[in-house]
Amino acid sequence: AQTVTQSQPEMSVQEAETVTLSCTYDTSENNYYLFWYKQPPSRQMILVIRQEAYKQQNATENRFSVNFQKAAKSFSLKISDSQLGDTAMYFCAFMKGSGTASKLTFGTGTRLQVTL
Amino acid sequence: DVKVTQSSRYLVKRTGEKVFLECVQDMDHENMFWYRQDPGLGLRLIYFSYDVKMKEKGDIPEGYSVSREKKERFSLILESASTNQTSMYLCASSLWSDTQYFGPGTRLTVL
Repeated sequence: AQTVTQSQPEMSVQEAETVTLSCTYDTSENNYYLFWYKQPPSRQMILVIRQEAYKQQNATENRFSVNFQKAAKSFSLKISDSQLGDTAMYFCAFMKGSGTASKLTFGTGTRLQVTL
Repeated sequence: DVKVTQSSRYLVKRTGEKVFLECVQDMDHENMFWYRQDPGLGLRLIYFSYDVKMKEKGDIPEGYSVSREKKERFSLILESASTNQTSMYLCASSLWSDTQYFGPGTRLTVL
């Protein structure tokens, strides 16, 4: 079974600064995907970024980038130039790669507060 | 854009009632999922479906059942609601083994 660990329950960052959220996972699979989802106070779960395990290049999406270390089973999220709208719960998630439906295994989340 | 909708944002029910949570997606996705979200536990999978009338148990199926009569609609059923089923329920859909897109969630309170 897969497990996902987010060791930072809460974090705070000032507007325009950079923050990194940590995520580690455990799996014996070789083909899988990793995700960061954002859940603002509105509760809508929004995809932030996605990484395929077979790709060595780290995924980026505007101000969001990941540091994917496959051997260390680490998948951290870096948010640059933080904005007030980035305030949310952030969830790291793992999914096995397969040809059929595959569930997401989530971490317990990190609550990020962006302050003025 | 993918759109996943859930029938209610907030729901209050009494212990023992039968509860239906509905989810509809408009992107012709094969897969649909029901998760529950509790503080400190993240999201946990209750059931999922990979085709019409097909379903698979997730990690915590006890006390729940599901129905998928049409491709776009996936229902979660609490046969006899209990207070420990008070939670946030999130529906998601995906195209094969791909990114899951979530609905806005239903906060269910069982009194």
